[in-house]
Amino acid sequence: GDSVTQMEGPVTLSEEAFLTINCTYTATGYPSLFWYVQYPGEGLQLLLKATKADDKGSNKGFEATYRKETTSFHLEKGSVQVSDSAVYFCALSDYGGSNYKLTFGKGTLLTVNP
Amino acid sequence: DSGVTQTPKHLITATGQRVTLRCSPRSGDLSVYWYQQSLDQGLQFLIQYYNGEERAKGNILERFSAQQFPDLHSELNLSSLELGDSALYFCASSGRGRSGHANSPLHFGNGTRLTVT
Repeated sequence: GDSVTQMEGPVTLSEEAFLTINCTYTATGYPSLFWYVQYPGEGLQLLLKATKADDKGSNKGFEATYRKETTSFHLEKGSVQVSDSAVYFCALSDYGGSNYKLTFGKGTLLTVNP
Repeated sequence: DSGVTQTPKHLITATGQRVTLRCSPRSGDLSVYWYQQSLDQGLQFLIQYYNGEERAKGNILERFSAQQFPDLHSELNLSSLELGDSALYFCASSGRGRSGHANSPLHFGNGTRLTVT
């Protein structure tokens, strides 16, 4: 079945540091890929997405490129801020049988210190 | 604000009891999804409804059930509660999703924190 593996946290960085959170996936079909972010005390919200190979999703300075050859969708940001402290979830949406299904990774906690 | 409303925010109850969690989706969204989030299991998909009908089932226990009403709000019923059911329960909605999650983003509520003692 489909699965998403992301680097285990927690990740602790200083403000303005470069961020990479690795995400790899396995899927039976041709999935769409997502990054969701969960700020403290809130639900998840979509950060960015990519629907086909070589697509780059971007939002709020974050980027991720859909790499079919390496089945990866790594999240990057050039200069993190304290306000980026949150849990980041990689996810894929794949069609199987009669339904699409969204599969989440376990999440990576990011803490950014001033 | 995602537009998805979940009540209550917190719920504390004893083992063996039954609780009902409520979700009002974003205006116009027809699909409602329920997720359970715990430290050891991560984010687990429970069930999806589309316009009142069950569309997809995930790792939902037989002790749990859900429904979506004609006004599109949804309720998740948890019965014979066990300590291990303590978790955050999220509801999400999307505009499409007749065939499941599709590619449209999910809009999550802020969750109901259930504590079973």
